[in-house]
Amino acid sequence: SQQGEEDPQALSIQEGENATMNCSYKTSINNLQWYRQNSGRGLVHLILIRSNEREKHSGRLRVTLDTSKKSSSLLITASRAADTASYFCATAAPAGYQKVTFGTGTKLQVIP
Amino acid sequence: KAGVTQTPRYLIKTRGQQVTLSCSPISGHRSVSWYQQTPGQGLQFLFEYFSETQRNKGNFPGRFSGRQFSNSRSEMNVSTLELGDSALYLCASSSTSGGTGELFFGEGSRLTVL
Repeated sequence: SQQGEEDPQALSIQEGENATMNCSYKTSINNLQWYRQNSGRGLVHLILIRSNEREKHSGRLRVTLDTSKKSSSLLITASRAADTASYFCATAAPAGYQKVTFGTGTKLQVIP
Repeated sequence: KAGVTQTPRYLIKTRGQQVTLSCSPISGHRSVSWYQQTPGQGLQFLFEYFSETQRNKGNFPGRFSGRQFSNSRSEMNVSTLELGDSALYLCASSSTSGGTGELFFGEGSRLTVL
């Protein structure tokens, strides 16, 4: 079963615009991660935010985490055609050996 | 540093056959996780191995099994293949276990069951 659910399922924007994707999850977490997947390929890790952090930046990426609402958002600024991919959030529960479960993904298309 | 290597990349099997997929993690990583990705179900967790021990298992039937060797390389096996087993199987390695750190993924093994 999926722990996270991304919204929107699909997003189409023009190059240079910002893209925002949201992730909602169901149970307490140790951390939340975002990954990118180009069509049919392996996933690439983008950023990890711990449950005691509220915001994190990496280059053009900005991730926020609101544990009270059990939600996170990923903002990609000044998007490029190369950002076209599916984006997934992934979570792991806090205690013991926990599996990392992935959300349903947001398919982003950046039009040149 | 070499990345995660999965073999074979593509394979075609028929119903009832069995298949073995291999994953070589990044050097020094002791955790290997396996995922099944399909258009309908998304990314589903299969199992995680750490230092040759299965740490976690997803909700898959017993036809799906795995193991990890002393050099951290891992294999997964699917017996009595069904059409619904057609999927991209992804392996990920990590330096930590239990979802505490970043996962490094291979390119996947795409299995087609006819």
